[in-house]
Amino acid sequence: AQTVTQSQPEMSVQEAETVTLSCTYDTSENNYYLFWYKQPPSRQMILVIRQEAYKQQNATENRFSVNFQKAAKSFSLKISDSQLGDTAMYFCALVRGADGLTFGKGTHLIIQP
Amino acid sequence: DTEVTQTPKHLVMGMTNKKSLKCEQHMGHRAMYWYKQKAKKPPELMFVYSYEKLSINESVPSRFSPECPNSSLLNLHLHALQPEDSALYLCASSQHPNTEAFFGQGTRLTVV
Repeated sequence: AQTVTQSQPEMSVQEAETVTLSCTYDTSENNYYLFWYKQPPSRQMILVIRQEAYKQQNATENRFSVNFQKAAKSFSLKISDSQLGDTAMYFCALVRGADGLTFGKGTHLIIQP
Repeated sequence: DTEVTQTPKHLVMGMTNKKSLKCEQHMGHRAMYWYKQKAKKPPELMFVYSYEKLSINESVPSRFSPECPNSSLLNLHLHALQPEDSALYLCASSQHPNTEAFFGQGTRLTVV
């Protein structure tokens, strides 16, 4: 079985600040993918960033970057220059084979003006 | 185009009703999924179709019946639901079963 743990139920930062969301996971597999998804109040789940486990280089997408530590099974998301539109639930997720996504419990991120 | 379209967006049904949720994608994805999401919780996997064949059924009650008529369409047939089945139902698709999934906007289901 695989598990994903997000230990921060809620975080709040000021606009333009940098924020880091934590995620740890457990899997016995060597080949897997990790993702961060964002779910704003509009409820659609939006893919923010992906990381392939076999790649050592950390993924980046504009203001979003990850710190992937495979040995420690850690996958944190850094949001730079945070914006009001970043307010949402953020889910860390793992996929292995044809098992579908395993999600963490989520972190509610609030960006204050 | 990374769009997954779900209809209807909202549905209210009685416990004796039969209804269907629909999902469509035109990205050529070969895996499609149904997830159930309760308020303030992560999505929970219900069904996975891989290459139009049901590959995972996460012990979902038989009152939920999935159907995959072709590689672009996914239905979820609902019958004799309970109030605790009220939730957001999310459809997703991915190019292959082990790659990133793209989600639809969901159907907000209320069972009365």
